[in-house]
Order: sequence, then C-alpha cells, then structure tokens
Amino acid sequence: AQTVTQSQPEMSVQEAETVTLSCTYDTSESNYYLFWYKQPPSRQMILVIRQEAYKQQNATENRFSVNFQKAAKSFSLKISDSQLGDTAMYFCAFMKHEANFNKFYFGSGTKLNVKP
Amino acid sequence: DTAVSQTPKYLVTQMGNDKSIKCEQNLGHDTMYWYKQDSKKFLKIMFSYNNKELIINETVPNRFSPKSPDKAHLNLHINSLELGDSAVYFCASSQDGRGTPRGYTFGSGTRLTVV
Repeated sequence: AQTVTQSQPEMSVQEAETVTLSCTYDTSESNYYLFWYKQPPSRQMILVIRQEAYKQQNATENRFSVNFQKAAKSFSLKISDSQLGDTAMYFCAFMKHEANFNKFYFGSGTKLNVKP
Repeated sequence: DTAVSQTPKYLVTQMGNDKSIKCEQNLGHDTMYWYKQDSKKFLKIMFSYNNKELIINETVPNRFSPKSPDKAHLNLHINSLELGDSAVYFCASSQDGRGTPRGYTFGSGTRLTVV
C-alpha cells in the first residue's frame, strides 16, 4: 500500500521569506508521479507542481520548486518570496498508474500561514 | 469555461433526507472521482469511474450511490443523511492512459451540512 506523510500540520512564514514543506511517501513502485496541491480558504484545489519519478531534475514553477529525493522517498516543496496569497493548505499527493486508470494518495496536509 | 463544475456549492439539510450532488467536466477526461474532505481536511477517495465504469469503490456506506450517465458526468446520491456525512465533497477528473498524467482537475467542492 502507498502512504503519504506530511509531518508538519501547520507552518508560518514571513512575507518575502522562503519556506519548505515536507512530504515523504512509501511505495515499492518504480514509476510514479508526485504532486503538490494548494487549497486556499476559497476551498478550490489547485495544482501547484508535479514531478515524474523517472526524472532526476527537480520541477520548478516560478516561485515554487521541489526537492525530489527518490532514494529517500522525499518530495519537499519550497516556496520562495512568500506572498500573502500563498496562505493555504498544501497537500502532497502520490499517483501511480493502475490497470487503466491513475490512483492518487493524498497526505494529511500542511496549513501554511504567510504573515505580513 | 469551468472545467469541473459541481452543484450545489452549499447544501444544508436535515437528517434522514436524501440529496444529490452533481458533477460535470468539459475536459474530455476519461476518469472522474468523488472525494470526501472531513473537518480535519483529510481527503478520502470514495468512488471513481472510468468511461462510465466503476473502478474504485472504497469502504463507503451503501447509502452513497454514484451514477455516471456518461463519461462527462458523475453524480453522487446520498440516502438517509446522517450528521457524520457533513463534510466537503469534491469531484475531480483526470485524463488517464496515454501520455504523462497531469494530475487531477478538481471541482470547487460542495459543503454539505446535515442538521
């Protein structure tokens, strides 16, 4: 079974600073995908960034980047130059292809507060 | 232009009632899902349909019944609502099979409150 663990229930960061959210996962698969989703107070789930396990290069999307350590099964999210709009719940997710569909496993989330 | 739309966004109802939540996606995706997010924000999958065929049916009371009339729609019907059913229900879709998965596209959620 796949599990996704986010060990930080809540974090705070000052505006313009950098923060790193942790995520570890457990799997015996070799081919899978990892995602970070953001859920602001509006409740909408928004894809932030994704990483293919077969790619060694860390994914980057503007101020968001990941540190993917496949051997350690770690997938942390770094947010640079934090903005007030980054305040949200962040969910790490693991996805593998199973039969003819994709199956997702979500972590329990990290609540990020960006302070002015 | 909404990719995954759920209706209603809010639903307040009394215990024992039957209610439905509708979901439609215009992305041409093959697979649709229902997730329940509890008060602690934990996301738990309930059902998944791939091209109208049920492929995931987690441990969910049989008071919950999904219906997929076509691959663009996945509705959730709940009978005999209980207090513990209060949660946010998310519909999502994904394009599976060919190509690199791009992850889920979520609807905006339906906040169900049972009183």
